[in-house]
Amino acid sequence: DAGVIQSPRHEVTEMGQEVTLRCKPISGHDYLFWYRQTMMRGLELLIYFNNNVPIDDSGMPEDRFSAKMPNASFSTLKIQPSEPRDSAVYFCASSRGPDKNIQYFGAGTRLSVL
Amino acid sequence: TQLLEQSPQFLSIQEGENLTVYCNSSSVFSSLQWYRQEPGEGPVLLVTVVTGGEVKKLKRLTFQFGDARKDSSLHITAAQPGDTGLYLCAGVVLLRAGKSTFGDGTTLTVKP
Repeated sequence: DAGVIQSPRHEVTEMGQEVTLRCKPISGHDYLFWYRQTMMRGLELLIYFNNNVPIDDSGMPEDRFSAKMPNASFSTLKIQPSEPRDSAVYFCASSRGPDKNIQYFGAGTRLSVL
Repeated sequence: TQLLEQSPQFLSIQEGENLTVYCNSSSVFSSLQWYRQEPGEGPVLLVTVVTGGEVKKLKRLTFQFGDARKDSSLHITAAQPGDTGLYLCAGVVLLRAGKSTFGDGTTLTVKP
């Protein structure tokens, strides 16, 4: 089975530009998580979905960040406008209830905002 | 304040040595997971523990969940260069249903 697939793997953009990160969860998983990883703050949960519905978005830094899950096999994380402090590795993970905390991570998207 | 404190933050040892890394909290967890992350990749689940005092073994890795379910340890016997990576613990606080919280991790380097 394919794991969690993220695209792109690397993204370099200029400050002020819109950035869209994409994720395809493992088939049959009903939970999807977006994380951000930096040296300073470690791995931070941004938002998670259950059955395509956002459950907890308290980790989303500010209104510049938004996430959608239009169907069970696709999710996006959008940053508009992007800022240099958004530079980080963004991970998507999926899991299946009732073991929703046993998460399978994608390889991540390394974002650099210049 | 970090909910999960991991120690040490960095560890560099020679091949063949033993080591232990720790994950501590003042909160009680309903479950706790250990992940290993290699450079350029996402974290990969190693084990999950749910019962206080539980011990699980995965080849040369031994995981223990504290009796009070507030802490955990990972012991590696005869470390190998392939064990190099970032070790992360993650837990779900009891009575606070939902998301896992991750520790900051222990970066392990095993030199040949």
